[in-house]
Amino acid sequence: DIQMTQSPSSLSASVGDRVTITCRASQDIRNDLGWYQQKAGKAPKSLIYAASRLQSGVPSRFSGSGSGTEFTLTISSLQPEDFASYYCLQHNSYPYNFGQGTKLEIK
Amino acid sequence: QVQVQQWGAGLLKPSETLSLTCAVYSGSFSGYYWSWIRQSPGKGLEWIGEINYRGNTNYNPSLKSRLTMSLDTSKNQFSLKLTSVTAADTALYYCARWVATTHHFDSWGQGTLVTVSS
Repeated sequence: DIQMTQSPSSLSASVGDRVTITCRASQDIRNDLGWYQQKAGKAPKSLIYAASRLQSGVPSRFSGSGSGTEFTLTISSLQPEDFASYYCLQHNSYPYNFGQGTKLEIK
Repeated sequence: QVQVQQWGAGLLKPSETLSLTCAVYSGSFSGYYWSWIRQSPGKGLEWIGEINYRGNTNYNPSLKSRLTMSLDTSKNQFSLKLTSVTAADTALYYCARWVATTHHFDSWGQGTLVTVSS
């Protein structure tokens, strides 16, 4: 199985801050990685696919980068609605695996 | 806009069988993989497995021996059965649609909380 190591597990930040979340894969997954946002009581929502492609309707302050084993999700200027949990997902090989998640909290 | 609605028993005793069903409305059933994902406080999000409209399945090896997925194309429904449940199977279970062209889960059920307790 490909393991996904996501960091940090939690993060405190302020509105307007730039934040970065990282996922590392235990082996090369090319760009077969997506990022999801989950708010309390809701199902996850896709933000980024193919490591760096923004889903339709997702604000441009979200961006993804990386390939191979190291990936990042960046939020360029935090908005109040961005405080949520974030997960990466590798779909290069079965079983698909999520990262452990990052809880983004208001400072 | 496709809608996915799920249902099933929420309280089980150890050794019983978990059974959940998802129905797909206002969208195509064919051409997609239909997946199950669960979320527990201790283990985060876990991909359980998927089934496509032809009935081809991919299962998480960690659950494979207890897992069966099936579908009813006449009703646009797909189902999950997990046998011999234990407390470790307590979680919020989601069904979701996997879009292969853009490689993401785009439509999710509302989630079903399954608790395993004696």
